Order: sequence, then C-alpha cells, then structure tokens
Amino acid sequence: DGGITQSPKYLFRKEGQNVTLSCEQNLNHDAMYWYRQDPGQGLRLIYYSQIVNDFQKGDIAEGYSVSREKKESFPLTVTSAQKNPTAFYLCASSTSTGITGELFFGEGSRLTVL
Amino acid sequence: GQQVMQIPQYQHVQEGEDFTTYCNSSTTLSNIQWYKQRPGGHPVFLIQLVKSGEVKKQKRLTFQFGEAKKNSSLHITATQTTDVGTYFCAATNKLIFGTGTLLAVQP
Repeated sequence: DGGITQSPKYLFRKEGQNVTLSCEQNLNHDAMYWYRQDPGQGLRLIYYSQIVNDFQKGDIAEGYSVSREKKESFPLTVTSAQKNPTAFYLCASSTSTGITGELFFGEGSRLTVL
Repeated sequence: GQQVMQIPQYQHVQEGEDFTTYCNSSTTLSNIQWYKQRPGGHPVFLIQLVKSGEVKKQKRLTFQFGEAKKNSSLHITATQTTDVGTYFCAATNKLIFGTGTLLAVQP
C-alpha cells in the first residue's frame, strides 16, 4: 500500500541532544513537508522540499535541519538549538510542486524532551 | 504576513445539532483545502475549493468558498459522534493552516 511512514512514533530525548525523525513516502510525490503541531494549535510549517536536493525554510525553521537526497525520503533533525522541541511532528507529501495538491500526512512523531 | 484565522476554536454540540466552522484570510487565496484530524490522529484531506463562490457537498458536509476568496466555511448537518475531531482549513498555496476548530459531539 502506498503511503507515508514516519518513525519513530514516540521519542524521548534529553535536553541538548540532536534527534532525527524519519519520513519515507512511496507515493512518488515530488513535494514533501514538515509541520509542527502543539496542543490545541494548528500546523506550522518547518521546512518543505519541492524537488530532490532542494528545500526551503518555513515559518519556524530555526533549530531544525533537513535533507532531501532521495525523492522518497525527507528526514528532519531537531537540533539542540531548538528552544522548545517537545511537540507532535507531522510529515506530508503532495503531487504538485505548485503546492496546490492534496497533502497526504504520515501518522506523526511525538517528541518529548526531558 | 498572511494569516488564516478559524472560529470558533472549540464547539460542543448535542448529537443531531448542526455545526459550522469559519475560516478567514487577510489576503485573497488561490484555493483552500479542508482537513479533519481525529483525536490522536493525523490530518486527512476532505476537499479543495478553487472557484469564487464555490459550494461543494459531501453527504452531511457542505463546504463554501467566499466570493472574494478570502473566507470559507464548513457546515455539518445533524452531527454524529463520528464527526468528533479538529477541522482545519489550509491555504495551501501559502502553506498556511488555520488554527483549527475542535468539535465535540455529545451522544
């Protein structure tokens, strides 16, 4: 079945440690995205990529980094520079590089920093 | 910068009552999408509106795009417990999501 796989589903880390969240899709989508969701809030864009080896910062990119070496994969690293990393992280993909296509979301990764 | 506001933030209804959530943008949108996120789940696409004044229906759900393409609404007729969740609008050409409306339905 086609879809987006995020791992891990739950992650606990100590303050000051970098963490990498995995996002893999087999939908053959060009565009991929990372969103952050805090309790009771909407989704805020961290980074997005419209094509392999290219990505752009979203509204809250500080303290995060990404790579897009393969079409299928768009990992997100939460660095120690991120002031408040505890959140629910959602990866998405879409067919349209014009960013008008339906977004398909993964099941999310819940990060807790102790 | 562009903002997409959604109201209300929370709505509690009795099963069978109607529900409406509104989405307002500070600028004109090329399109708008609606998503539903069940508690503990991930957002799932419901519909996309593109044309000014467009109205689309999905069973008990009615979606509308304003004439000026700055606002949109989602109306649910005769809510059911399966409608529980958070409904988000999204101006995807700007990659901006609204703050969402959490719907609680009491049986």
